[in-house]
Amino acid sequence: DTGVSQNPRHKITKRGQNVTFRCDPISEHNRLYWYRQTLGQGPEFLTYFQNEAQLEKSRLLSDRFSAERPKGSFSTLEIQRTEQGDSAMYLCASSFGRPGDYGYTFGSGTRLTVV
Amino acid sequence: SQKIEQNSEALNIQEGKTATLTCNYTNYSPAYLQWYRQDPGRGPVFLLLIRENEKEKRKERLKVTFDTTLKQSLFHITASQPADSATYLCALGSNYGQNFVFGPGTRLSVLP
Repeated sequence: DTGVSQNPRHKITKRGQNVTFRCDPISEHNRLYWYRQTLGQGPEFLTYFQNEAQLEKSRLLSDRFSAERPKGSFSTLEIQRTEQGDSAMYLCASSFGRPGDYGYTFGSGTRLTVV
Repeated sequence: SQKIEQNSEALNIQEGKTATLTCNYTNYSPAYLQWYRQDPGRGPVFLLLIRENEKEKRKERLKVTFDTTLKQSLFHITASQPADSATYLCALGSNYGQNFVFGPGTRLSVLP
């Protein structure tokens, strides 16, 4: 197991298009998180899964954003009708148990540029 | 609303000196505080965790303190090396939520 894997690493899309990102967490980790990070800022929480259940969503996650984690393994984050303000690094993280006890393991992120 | 502040945006120090990074917060009562390192184009990497009932934690050249009265954490890197150059993020968490709130980060440059 080589850690949290995210694909693609970079995505350039035209405004109005839909995009989908994939995250493969560490196999033993039952908790998976999506964060968004813009330049010069820390990551901002988007959503959290425990196994296949989506248990928490941020108000940042508008109706254009949807996340899934079928079968409690990999996860996808889809953004519909992209806007220029969606340009950011999208980070996936996983944890074994509560992150307060062990910390997050982050992937390298998917950098989205909306032109 | 909750607010987390970290140092100035950037900190430059000479190799071999101790780097001290600050994390201050308001309108929050965290149960946990974590420090992460982030290199350009990469995701953050977990370094240390300290709980609200702990004053200090150490790991090799790293030391973290947590003062819930001052609402402040200090992160020290002793005998700093150019390889320590990166952005360092603090993150606060509670016992109730699953997500952590991150500060904006401090970019540390260790000059040879």
